[in-house]
Amino acid sequence: GESVGLHLPTLSVQEGDNSIINCAYSNSASDYFIWYKQESGKGPQFIIDIRSNMDKRQGQRVTVLLNKTVKHLSLQIAATQPGDSAVYFCAENTVGGADGLTFGKGTHLIIQP
Amino acid sequence: ETGVTQTPRHLVMGMTNKKSLKCEQHLGHNAMYWYKQSAKKPLELMFVYSLEERVENNSVPSRFSPECPNSSHLFLHLHTLQPEDSALYLCASSYRDSATGELFFGEGSRLTVL
Repeated sequence: GESVGLHLPTLSVQEGDNSIINCAYSNSASDYFIWYKQESGKGPQFIIDIRSNMDKRQGQRVTVLLNKTVKHLSLQIAATQPGDSAVYFCAENTVGGADGLTFGKGTHLIIQP
Repeated sequence: ETGVTQTPRHLVMGMTNKKSLKCEQHLGHNAMYWYKQSAKKPLELMFVYSLEERVENNSVPSRFSPECPNSSHLFLHLHTLQPEDSALYLCASSYRDSATGELFFGEGSRLTVL
């Protein structure tokens, strides 16, 4: 079956450093990829998305890169802050509409002071 | 305030109890969802409602019974659950035909089955 996975369950970075969270996917037909952030005790929140016809998209302190050749997605967070500590999920949308979201397991980002 | 409100936030129940989880969305969306989130596992889609009709049921055991009385409210009725059903249950809403599939989640109901 198709799957979306994250390379590392936990990533620890120093406050102020940049962090990169990776995601591998297997369905080349995916149209959209979405990154969610889930803080402790809260539900997942949308961070940024990218369409399959793009390679890069930037938001506020976040950048998503898509490499369709190797089916790899990454989330870069610049100048990490304590509030960035959370679990980050990637999700892919293969059939259109929210029914088609397939989620990865998540990477726990820990910001060290 | 996320726009999607879930109650209760925490629930402890015995295997013979009957309880319900409630979700309300204030975003004007036309689809609502129940997801199960267990430790170290991806989010699992349980039910999808679009315009108050169930459009998907991912082989969820009958001890979970959803109800969607209108486009703003969603319930998950629980009865004779098992300890392995302990998890975070997340409600979400969206526009069903959204091209991106973006979901708006509530903060979840943490369920513990004893």
